[in-house]
Amino acid sequence: EVQLLESGGGSVQPGGSLRLSCAASGLNFNNYAMCWVRQAPGKGLEWVSAINGNGGTTYYADSVKGRFTISRDNSKNTLFLQMNSLRAEDTAVYYCAKGGSGFDPWGQGTLVTVSS
Amino acid sequence: QSVLTQPPSVSAAPGQKVSISCSGSSSNIGSNYVSWYQQLPGTAPKLLIYDNNKRPSGIPDRFSGSKSDTSATLGITGLQTGDEADYYCGTWDSSLSAVVFGGGTKLTVL
Repeated sequence: EVQLLESGGGSVQPGGSLRLSCAASGLNFNNYAMCWVRQAPGKGLEWVSAINGNGGTTYYADSVKGRFTISRDNSKNTLFLQMNSLRAEDTAVYYCAKGGSGFDPWGQGTLVTVSS
Repeated sequence: QSVLTQPPSVSAAPGQKVSISCSGSSSNIGSNYVSWYQQLPGTAPKLLIYDNNKRPSGIPDRFSGSKSDTSATLGITGLQTGDEADYYCGTWDSSLSAVVFGGGTKLTVL
């Protein structure tokens, strides 16, 4: 069974940084694209970023381009999201998900709160 | 507003059927596969349908998906109170080079 476990969320002031991690198990990690999707409180899903299996190709939503960096360590089966210059509108639960034909499965999410 | 358009809410009685629409354009639904996700209250989203109309193992055949031109539809038959959730469509947008989601549809089983 594939399992994804996010960590690294928390509270940060505007302009600050956080690094999210997503530990994967139960799969050949380097065979799959991975992504981050966020959900602001009471709002819908917003795709944030994706990375291919070997980490050589990345994609970003316009809302985070230039501020967030997605990466992966295939030797540790771990996905990362480095978030810099955080804004109040980045407040959300951040989910990691395995890519392919649809996002499946999803992790349980980690909450990021950006507030002064 | 979202690139993909869904109705904010739908409702039906237990045992009935409901359809949830997802409207897009030629750069997203019109040229890429559509997925559907179910998000029960307080939980992470779960994949219901992928590649327009395929169900992952464990998803009952009460759930179905279809696509025509630039629109997709999720169908749910034999509604149960446990189906009350938010439902999202999603696909790749070739012009944006980004994944796009619909705004979500809240299903109420009356």
